[in-house]
Amino acid sequence: EAGVAQSPRYKIIEKRQSVAFWCNPISGHATLYWYQQILGQGPKLLIQFQNNGVVDDSQLPKDRFSAERLKGVDSTLKIQPAKLEDSAVYLCASSLDIRGSSPLHFGNGTRLTVT
Amino acid sequence: QKEVEQDPGPLSVPEGAIVSLNCTYSNSAFQYFMWYRQYSRKGPELLMYTYSSGNKEDGRFTAQVDKSSKYISLFIRDSQPSDSATYLCASDYNQGGKLIFGQGTELSVKP
Repeated sequence: EAGVAQSPRYKIIEKRQSVAFWCNPISGHATLYWYQQILGQGPKLLIQFQNNGVVDDSQLPKDRFSAERLKGVDSTLKIQPAKLEDSAVYLCASSLDIRGSSPLHFGNGTRLTVT
Repeated sequence: QKEVEQDPGPLSVPEGAIVSLNCTYSNSAFQYFMWYRQYSRKGPELLMYTYSSGNKEDGRFTAQVDKSSKYISLFIRDSQPSDSATYLCASDYNQGGKLIFGQGTELSVKP
C-alpha cells in the first residue's frame, strides 16, 4: 500500500511571499487532514476534509491560509502572505473515514522556512 | 492547561533498558488513545492504538490507559538504538477523528 505523498519536501521563502503544498492521500481514504508541526511541538490540526467537504477548519488562520480538496482525492494547502511564524513542518494525513477508530496515516511533510 | 501534556525530555537510556513514556490529558471525553513514533525528518507513524482503559501489547511495546487518572503510558522493553525517535501521544474525542497531540518525548537509546 502506497503511503501519503507530499511535495515539495522543503521550501524556503521570504515573508509576504506565497507558497503551496500538495498532498495525495492513501487510495480509498475519505478523510484528509493538514497538520502544522512547529519545531519541538506536537502536530496541530489546521483543517480536516471528509471527501471534498470541510469538516473542521476552526484552527486555520483563514486570513492567510486556504486549502482545497476539489475532487475528494488530493489536496492543496496555500499560505498567502507568509509570516515568519509560519515556519514549520506541514503534515498531511489520511484515514479511511471520520470515526475516531480509524487511525491516521501521515506523510513525511513539507518543511517550510520563512525568512 | 493543554489538553494533552507530555514531558519533552530528552530521555537517554542504555540499550536493553525498559523505557517508560507518559502523558496526561484533561478531557474525560477522550476515548481513543494513540502513540506515534516520529523519526527525524519523517512523518509520525502509528505505533499503538487503544480504546478506553486497559492495556495493549505488541511485541516489545505495551500501551496503558488509566481513564480514572487520565494517564497514558507507553513501555518499551529491551530498548534498541533503532527506537531512538520522538514519541507522540495523542487522544481523540471520536467527534470527527480530530487528534490532539502531546508535545512529544525525544528518546535516545545508546548502544
